Amino acid sequence: SAVISQKPSRDICQRGTSLTIQCQVDSQVTMMFWYRQQPGQSLTLIATANQGSEATYESGFVIDKFPISRPNLTFSTLTVSNMSPEDSSIYLCSLGVQGAGEQFFGPGTRLTVL
Amino acid sequence: KNEVEQSPQNLTAQEGEFITINCSYSVGISALHWLQQHPGGGIVSLFMLSSGKKKHGRLIATINIQEKHSSLHITASHPRDSAVYICAVRRGGADGLTFGKGTHLIIQP
Repeated sequence: SAVISQKPSRDICQRGTSLTIQCQVDSQVTMMFWYRQQPGQSLTLIATANQGSEATYESGFVIDKFPISRPNLTFSTLTVSNMSPEDSSIYLCSLGVQGAGEQFFGPGTRLTVL
Repeated sequence: KNEVEQSPQNLTAQEGEFITINCSYSVGISALHWLQQHPGGGIVSLFMLSSGKKKHGRLIATINIQEKHSSLHITASHPRDSAVYICAVRRGGADGLTFGKGTHLIIQP
């Protein structure tokens, strides 16, 4: 199994500001994923972050709004830029093993934008 | 139409009942995951399936690739099983997951 930590666990932010969420894994992994869970909704994939290459974004998500860094195999950050109340969600990082392996999830960052 | 459909959306049952949650998907997949999410938001992976059937304790998961359908069963349900159960599929080995909307399960004592 893998242990994933996220910082911060929650935050309340003002409209127009940016927040960077950190995801730390206790082992080296190739693929990391960032998901969003809006209130009352299921999870939606934002992007795939692979070390050594640009993140791959899903339809509806753009790099300017959600820049991602992946400096090494154990760490990634997701920034939510120029926030609006619609960005209020739980943001989760996740890792998976290539070849349809088990999926592990971080504890999530609960973001509220006023 | 969502690529992953779950039913029922909400389910309330009495302790001890046999529970079935269904998942249908409309795309080709490399794997299907059943996940459990508790009220605090933490998500735990229950099963990863690419064919057949898996069992872990009181939980059983099955998948029929030809029919694009999977079921999660809970035997001898207990109040601690109360959670949201989510079906998610992975298209390719390197892809992220596409999620169903989840089934809110409440087991009453």
